[in-house]
Amino acid sequence: KAGVTQTPRYLIKTRGQQVTLSCSPISGHRSVSWYQQTPGQGLQFLFEYFSETQRNKGNFPGRFSGRQFSNSRSEMNVSTLELGDSALYLCASTPGTYSYEQYFGPGTRLTVT
Amino acid sequence: KNEVEQSPQNLTAQEGEFITINCSYSVGISALHWLQQHPGGGIVSLFMLSSGKKKHGRLIATINIQEKHSSLHITASHPRDSAVYICAVSNFGNEKLTFGTGTRLTIIP
Repeated sequence: KAGVTQTPRYLIKTRGQQVTLSCSPISGHRSVSWYQQTPGQGLQFLFEYFSETQRNKGNFPGRFSGRQFSNSRSEMNVSTLELGDSALYLCASTPGTYSYEQYFGPGTRLTVT
Repeated sequence: KNEVEQSPQNLTAQEGEFITINCSYSVGISALHWLQQHPGGGIVSLFMLSSGKKKHGRLIATINIQEKHSSLHITASHPRDSAVYICAVSNFGNEKLTFGTGTRLTIIP
């Protein structure tokens, strides 16, 4: 089976712009979680989608949003980018019933200038 | 106090040494995860455990539910084991992972 894929791998944006990141889970996996990793805060949970519904949400401002499509692919969007949004954004997929091992994608490295 | 604490933060050892990384958590959990992150960012799940002990090759993970503590051991360490090792916990009915700050391991040939 192909692994979790994320596009793009690298992205440079300017403050105030918006960005959309994409995640394709392992075939058959219905849950996609998103995480942000920064040197200062480490890894933090953004949100999780299952069957096109947001099932869990972390403590991030409303500028961070996401969605999931019927084929389980997921996108996350960040509007009005700030310098502090520069980070590695990782997604992970699982079959969807709870407490499964998570399979991580390679990440999208976002730089906001 | 963070929900998940790891120690040490950094660890440098000679090739062949036995390595132990510790993780303590303060909340009820359904599972504890050990993850490995190499330079470049990719994360690999090493273990997911809710009780006892698991072994995969030279890696061993143990968990003590009563003491809310887990350890990751690496036997016969090798330079290719150099990476950041991250402990994370998940709660009942929830895919959300809460992470420790990671342990940066460097194995010197």
